[in-house]
Amino acid sequence: DGGITQSPKYLFRKEGQNVTLSCEQNLNHDAMYWYRQDPGQGLRLIYYSQIVNDFQKGDIAEGYSVSREKKESFPLTVTSAQKNPTAFYLCASNLGPDTGELFFGEGSRLTVL
Amino acid sequence: DQQVKQNSPSLSVQEGRISILNCDYTNSMFDYFLWYKKYPAEGPTFLISISSIKDKNEDGRFTVFLNKSAKHLSLHIVPSQPGDSAVYFCAASARGTYKYIFGTGTRLKVLA
Repeated sequence: DGGITQSPKYLFRKEGQNVTLSCEQNLNHDAMYWYRQDPGQGLRLIYYSQIVNDFQKGDIAEGYSVSREKKESFPLTVTSAQKNPTAFYLCASNLGPDTGELFFGEGSRLTVL
Repeated sequence: DQQVKQNSPSLSVQEGRISILNCDYTNSMFDYFLWYKKYPAEGPTFLISISSIKDKNEDGRFTVFLNKSAKHLSLHIVPSQPGDSAVYFCAASARGTYKYIFGTGTRLKVLA
């Protein structure tokens, strides 16, 4: 049964360390997205990818990097340059613009100690 | 600059009554609007959407109304149930773009 899988669900990191969050989808969607949720700030777009080997910065890309080597996978790396990395991270996908809603994964909670 | 605003951070409603959640937007290029429901530590789930060519869309207990001249949309839940207690986000996008802009959410509590 199709969906989006994010891992790990919970992750702890020491300051200065990079960490990679996994996102895999089996919905055959072309577009994939990473959002960040902070209390009282809604969901903010970090990066998105329209197709394999292509991605664009969202509204808050600084301190993050992504890759899209396979259609199914869109991992997000939170680097040590990200000033406030503690947040809830959400991966989403859809067929592309004007195709309807985004489908979300269950999220990954990153806590920097 | 918040292009999509949900000015009520929280709302409490009695079970069986109507819940009305509001959302305002500023960008006149937005032509597709969505509502999502979110429980803590889970991903948002899609509820209902509306295109700018309509002013109302209904799905079971959920109805979304769009007032383009006021740049305002609302989600009505009738009747409200305790299981509806969650945070509700509205989102908007413009034709041909990949970006979905989300509001800050409204926490709905349905009291039994």
